[in-house]
Amino acid sequence: GAGVSQSPRYKVAKRGQDVALRCDPISGHVSLFWYQQALGQGPEFLTYFQNEAQLDKSGLPSDRFFAERPEGSVSTLKIQRTQQEDSAVYLCASSFGVRSTDTQYFGPGTRLTVL
Amino acid sequence: AQTVTQSQPEMSVQEAETVTLSCTYDTSESNYYLFWYKQPPSRQMILVIRQEAYKQQNATENRFSVNFQKAAKSFSLKISDSQLGDTAMYFCAFIRNYQLIWGAGTKLIIKP
Repeated sequence: GAGVSQSPRYKVAKRGQDVALRCDPISGHVSLFWYQQALGQGPEFLTYFQNEAQLDKSGLPSDRFFAERPEGSVSTLKIQRTQQEDSAVYLCASSFGVRSTDTQYFGPGTRLTVL
Repeated sequence: AQTVTQSQPEMSVQEAETVTLSCTYDTSESNYYLFWYKQPPSRQMILVIRQEAYKQQNATENRFSVNFQKAAKSFSLKISDSQLGDTAMYFCAFIRNYQLIWGAGTKLIIKP
């Protein structure tokens, strides 16, 4: 596609529910990133994929967070047993190559609200 | 610790004026890349400009330019001839091991 797409754009979950957030990167982009952006703050890194390999998951806040990219294209961020502190905008980004300095292109984000 | 500080939570200027957004950062690396991203109310994070730390020349993209002071670890963004469409959150960031490290952002409002 022309840009990074994410779905759903908005998600409301009751505390304790599991959610799955989808990211479609720019076609042909090797690298994919997930960030979490709390209200009024800058994004914070969650995890990074190079093709299907998850090379860095140091930013995942707990073992309730899980990300995958099984075929090296679409990625899913899953949050189990959601809690109120998980409420945030989840941003996905992709970049063309494998250099750390390649420009990251962002999707519109998914706003997750946990009640 | 590697951090990014944006000291101006909010700024507003009249259309067509010039505005400068400040950013300071702290890193122990000798070579790195710095970025300014724009996030309109639609939430799509858009790259405005990037600067490679080993380049002394300040980056410029049309109405957007930076003032990069490596010794002072300062990376300010200047927007000339501001337009209503420039209204957005602006984030300063640098890259470390594939991770973008972000400031808290400056909300810029362009008034007609």
